[in-house]
Amino acid sequence: QVQLVESGGGVVQPGRSLRLSCSASRLTFNGFAMHWVRQAPGKGLQWVAVISYDGTKKFYADSVKGRFTISRDKSRNTQYLQMSSLRVEDTAVYFCARSAATDYMDVWGKGTTVTVSS
Amino acid sequence: NFMLTQPHSVSESPGKTVTISCTRSSGSIASNYVQWYQQRPGSSPTIVIYEDKQRPSGVPDRISGSIDSSSNTASLTISRLKTEDEADYYCQSYDGSTSWVFGGGTKLTVL
Repeated sequence: QVQLVESGGGVVQPGRSLRLSCSASRLTFNGFAMHWVRQAPGKGLQWVAVISYDGTKKFYADSVKGRFTISRDKSRNTQYLQMSSLRVEDTAVYFCARSAATDYMDVWGKGTTVTVSS
Repeated sequence: NFMLTQPHSVSESPGKTVTISCTRSSGSIASNYVQWYQQRPGSSPTIVIYEDKQRPSGVPDRISGSIDSSSNTASLTISRLKTEDEADYYCQSYDGSTSWVFGGGTKLTVL
């Protein structure tokens, strides 16, 4: 069974940084765009960022632009989300998801929890 | 950018049919595909409808999707409701260039 596994979540103070990772098990995401999507406690899904299959194009939600950076390492079959200047409102479960050809998310990880609190 | 508006909650009895709407605020609903995701409590989302009306393998044909350009609305219909259908459902679309948009989600209660 294909799997995406996120890691790197934790508790961090406002203003600090954190890096999330997403690796694939029995699945390749080489050749696919990859997303990060988050879900604040008790809230809905919010798209965060996407990186193209070759890493050359990156797009971000306005709420994280300039603070978060998405990247990928083809050799490690892993993508990352570097989060800086974290705010309390960034508290959420962060999911990585693979993008199918017509821009929907066909495989999701189980998520990693980020809590920003002083 | 546009927004996708869903009802906060819907409820229906087992065996009945329910429809969840997703209205696009600006631009045509037909200009970009709409997807639907199911999220059960404590689980990650799974795709149940993609490209407006396509079902991934393993999704029962009780679940269907459609779009209506006249009302600028996409709809998810679940017939012959089962208790296992109880979940949150999210619509999602893309602005065609740089942004992916989710609806606020609809909590389906099967009672």
